[in-house]
Amino acid sequence: KNEVEQSPQNLTAQEGEFITINCSYSVGISALHWLQQHPGGGIVSLFMLSSGKKKHGRLIATINIQEKHSSLHITASHPRDSAVYICAVRTGNQFYFGTGTSLTVIP
Amino acid sequence: KAGVTQTPRYLIKTRGQQVTLSCSPISGHRSVSWYQQTPGQGLQFLFEYFSETQRNKGNFPGRFSGRQFSNSRSEMNVSTLELGDSALYLCASSMDRHTEAFFGQGTRLTVV
Repeated sequence: KNEVEQSPQNLTAQEGEFITINCSYSVGISALHWLQQHPGGGIVSLFMLSSGKKKHGRLIATINIQEKHSSLHITASHPRDSAVYICAVRTGNQFYFGTGTSLTVIP
Repeated sequence: KAGVTQTPRYLIKTRGQQVTLSCSPISGHRSVSWYQQTPGQGLQFLFEYFSETQRNKGNFPGRFSGRQFSNSRSEMNVSTLELGDSALYLCASSMDRHTEAFFGQGTRLTVV
């Protein structure tokens, strides 16, 4: 049983489209991170959320603690957004990770 | 400010050897945690250190060990390497469990 479930696993979009990636979790958390990993690259933390909503440029992340659900939105998607997006939840000193959503944005 | 630094970035070892990986956290961060990323298993938690003490350990064999020094730098060691240990090893640092964690670029270990 996975503590963190992400959907979709794979996503292909045309440049300019609005994209949503979903994350559901089953454990009590202190925070949720959205991570980005480019092919062959390291991991960058895009957002840390414990409640509500955060926005950074074209990226928006929301979390609903009661429903144990978070979404990552990308507005006006661009080919450079092509990457794997990983949802990670923090419980105490440990992270649990989703399996990631592989996003490809076609010009 | 400098980010989380992992060294080396790439490493090739032979089965049976041992390896030590290093993670230098962001200045002021006292919590360092380690993760293994493989194509089959995704990201999995290895262990977490805070102020030189291991606070939590994932479900990995005893061949995987770690430590943290007084300057918060952390090392992880894998002994008697197996082919299945080939992975990206990531560390993350934070001030404590309630603050944002920052990830290093990772060390890509290949066991041949």
